[in-house]
This record gives sequence, C-alpha cells and structure tokens, in this order.
Amino acid sequence: DAGITQSPRYKITETGRQVTLMCHQTWSHSYMFWYRQDLGHGLRLIYYSAAADITDKGEVPDGYVVSRSKTENFPLTLESATRSQTSVYFCASSLDRGQFNEQFFGPGTRLTVL
Amino acid sequence: RKEVEQDPGPFNVPEGATVAFNCTYSNSASQSFFWYRQDCRKEPKLLMSVYSSGNEDGRFTAQLNRASQYISLLIRDSKLSDSATYLCVVNQAGTALIFGKGTTLSVSS
Repeated sequence: DAGITQSPRYKITETGRQVTLMCHQTWSHSYMFWYRQDLGHGLRLIYYSAAADITDKGEVPDGYVVSRSKTENFPLTLESATRSQTSVYFCASSLDRGQFNEQFFGPGTRLTVL
Repeated sequence: RKEVEQDPGPFNVPEGATVAFNCTYSNSASQSFFWYRQDCRKEPKLLMSVYSSGNEDGRFTAQLNRASQYISLLIRDSKLSDSATYLCVVNQAGTALIFGKGTTLSVSS
C-alpha cells in the first residue's frame, strides 16, 4: 500500500529557477492539498483540489501554480523560486468531503532556495 | 488574534506523568476539531477527533468547550514514545483545516 508519496524528498535550487514538486496518491482520494511548514508559522495551505481539473487557492498561493489532470497526481510548481519559499512542503489527501477532516500526509519535500 | 493558538512548550515530563495541552480558536463558526501528532521532521498524523461530549482513546482524552472556544488534550501515563509535537486543528465549514503551531512534548525516563 504505497499511500501518498512525494518527490523529490530534498531539493536545493537557486533563486529564479522553476521547481516542480510531485505528489502521488494511490487511494483515489478526491481531495488533495499542498501545505508549507515554516518555523513560527505552522502548516499553511497553499492550494487544494476537490477533484481532477478543480483547484482552489489556500492561504498562501502567491508564487505557486498547481494542476490536477489526473486524480492521483497533484504537482506544485514554483515558477520563479525565491529564498522565502525555502520550506518543508507537505502534500495531503482526503477521501471526500465527508471525510475532509482526516487528511493523510505525504513524507514531505525539504526545499532550499539559495 | 491568531485563528488557532497553542502554548508552544516545550513540556518536559517524566514517564508516567499526566500532561494537558490547551488550544483556543477564534472563529465561533468552526465546526470540527482535531488533534494531530507530528514527530520530528515527519508528516503530521491524525491522533483523534474532538467531539462536543468529549472523547477518550486509551490514554488520551480530548475535550471541547464551544462557549469558551477551547480545546484540550490530556495524556495519562506518558510514554517515551509520546514525545512529539501535538497540533490543534480546526475546520471551518467549507474551508480547509486551520493548524495551530503545535505544542512540543518531551517525555524522559
């Protein structure tokens, strides 16, 4: 049971570069989420998706782009990385709106922008 | 005022101790409440939901006070394996989960 996976697990990039973080789940969950976690801020929602081709902004969407062409994948792209985007990024999924509350998280991607 | 506030700790307790964490939330329209656990450098995992009547799961007891907008988590007979960060989480209907910054617990032998 693979569950929810993220790749890469660690990434170092430079300011201005485009970076894509991948998220894949094998449960056919409807909802998928991207969070970032920083010291002093806790987990903050970047974007979420209720189904394929349906995405919506969260609390901190600026500088990020998402897509969801397939139910199982939800990539997050930093179009032009900035140092302030150095963070740990978690992808999560939940079964459906009724189970919206129990979100299952991937192992995270640690991104450093130099 | 932050939407979900927690005492960051750390709480340092010996094995076998009872420890309680508190959390307050600002939006009175919040409908669902949870405690998640996060181990160091790992992903958060759901520990338990919090119901109005209070609920218990083994050594863990969660309480909700809607009038005071206050949530608590009690851990009895602490184990070394309970060392982690505990996240208070609130769901406002129709929006995503709002996470507190977490309370760190360290249980020592």
